[in-house]
Amino acid sequence: AQTVTQSQPEMSVQEAETVTLSCTYDTSENNYYLFWYKQPPSRQMILVIRQEAYKQQNATENRFSVNFQKAAKSFSLKISDSQLGDTAMYFCALRNTGNQFYFGTGTSLTVIP
Amino acid sequence: NAGVMQNPRHLVRRRGQEARLRCSPMKGHSHVYWYRQLPEEGLKFMVYLQKENIIDESGMPKERFSAEFPKEGPSILRIQQVVRGDSAAYFCASSPPSGGRRTDTQYFGPGTRLTVL
Repeated sequence: AQTVTQSQPEMSVQEAETVTLSCTYDTSENNYYLFWYKQPPSRQMILVIRQEAYKQQNATENRFSVNFQKAAKSFSLKISDSQLGDTAMYFCALRNTGNQFYFGTGTSLTVIP
Repeated sequence: NAGVMQNPRHLVRRRGQEARLRCSPMKGHSHVYWYRQLPEEGLKFMVYLQKENIIDESGMPKERFSAEFPKEGPSILRIQQVVRGDSAAYFCASSPPSGGRRTDTQYFGPGTRLTVL
């Protein structure tokens, strides 16, 4: 069975500062993908960043980067130079070989002006 | 290329009525997924479909819920005899054909918020 755990229900960060959102997961599979999705107040789910489990190099997308620790089954998201538009719910997700996605319960991030 | 479309965005039903939620995947996408999001919770997988086939419905309640993705037209999530506990946001996502490789990215629609009175 696969599980995804986000232990930070809420976080806040000052505008222009850096914040890290935590995610841990559990899976018995060796090939899987990890994702961070953003859900703003509009409720649409927006892909932020993805990581292939077989790649050791951490994925980066502009101000967003991940710290992927495969042995520890940890997949944290770092947002640099936080902007007001980053205020949203952030969901960590795992996709298994059966093409199923498993989502964490989310972290509500507020960027403070 | 338009994104994933869902309609209606908001749907109100009384207990016992039927709810039909529609999802049009992105152009060229042949995989559709339905998720349910209860208040203050993450998304829960319901069903995974390809054109005219249900691939995995392990997350869908055995009764009252059904899904289809016909050869032509949108995917439909149908909830019969709705109850208050069905009130939630229902998200659809699509991904391109795998072509032998695993699809690794899902594109989500804006969701349908179902309220059962």
